Amino acid sequence: SAVISQKPSRDICQRGTSLTIQCQVDSQVTMMFWYRQQPGQSLTLIATANQGSEATYESGFVIDKFPISRPNLTFSTLTVSNMSPEDSSIYLCSVLPMRDYGYTFGSGTRLTVV
Amino acid sequence: AQTVTQSQPEMSVQEAETVTLSCTYDTSESDYYLFWYKQPPSRQMILVIRQEAYKQQNATENRFSVNFQKAAKSFSLKISDSQLGDAAMYFCAYLTYNNNDMRFGAGTRLTVKP
Repeated sequence: SAVISQKPSRDICQRGTSLTIQCQVDSQVTMMFWYRQQPGQSLTLIATANQGSEATYESGFVIDKFPISRPNLTFSTLTVSNMSPEDSSIYLCSVLPMRDYGYTFGSGTRLTVV
Repeated sequence: AQTVTQSQPEMSVQEAETVTLSCTYDTSESDYYLFWYKQPPSRQMILVIRQEAYKQQNATENRFSVNFQKAAKSFSLKISDSQLGDAAMYFCAYLTYNNNDMRFGAGTRLTVKP
C-alpha cells in the first residue's frame, strides 16, 4: 500500500492568515482526498483532487477558502485561507491505491487558530 | 445517499476482556466494502479490518473480527483479549465499487481499563 508524508504535523496560526498543508505519496495515484476532522467529530470530505484538473469540492466547502493544488500524481497541497478559530481542526489527506484495502491516510495536521 | 451509523459514542472494556462495537449502514448498492479504522491520539488513521460485501465469511485479523450481517446492514467489530493499546477512536466506513469517496460513521471512543 502507499505511504503518505503529510506536513506540517501541527501548527498554531493567527486568525486572518493562511496555512498550506502538503502531502507527498510514495507512488502515483489518480485521486487524492482531503478531509477535515473537527474536535471530537468524524471525518468530513472537503474535496477530491485529480491531477491535471480542478478539485471537486463537497457541499459547504469552496475553492476560495480551501484552494487545492495537484501538480503531479504524487503530490497535493491544501491551503486553509483567511483562517478563523472555527477552522481549528485536524486535516487529513488520503489516497485509494487499491479499493479492496480502502484509504491510506497521511498522519494528519492539527491546526489551531488563535 | 449512503450513511453509516455508530450508535455508541463511547465504550469501555476491561483489559483482557472482549468488546463489540456496533455499526449499521444504509445503502441501495449490492457490492461494496466495509472497513473499521482505528485512530489513536497520534491522529493516524489505521486500517483494522475490512470486509467485501459479496463474501459471506466474516473477516478476522488476529484479535479483531467482524460480524457482517448483509441483510440487516450491520457490521460490528469484536475485539478479543483487549489490550491497553487498543484504546482509540474507532470509525466504521463504507466504500462502493463505483464511487471513490469513503463514508465514515461518527466514531466510537474505546477506553481500556487496566
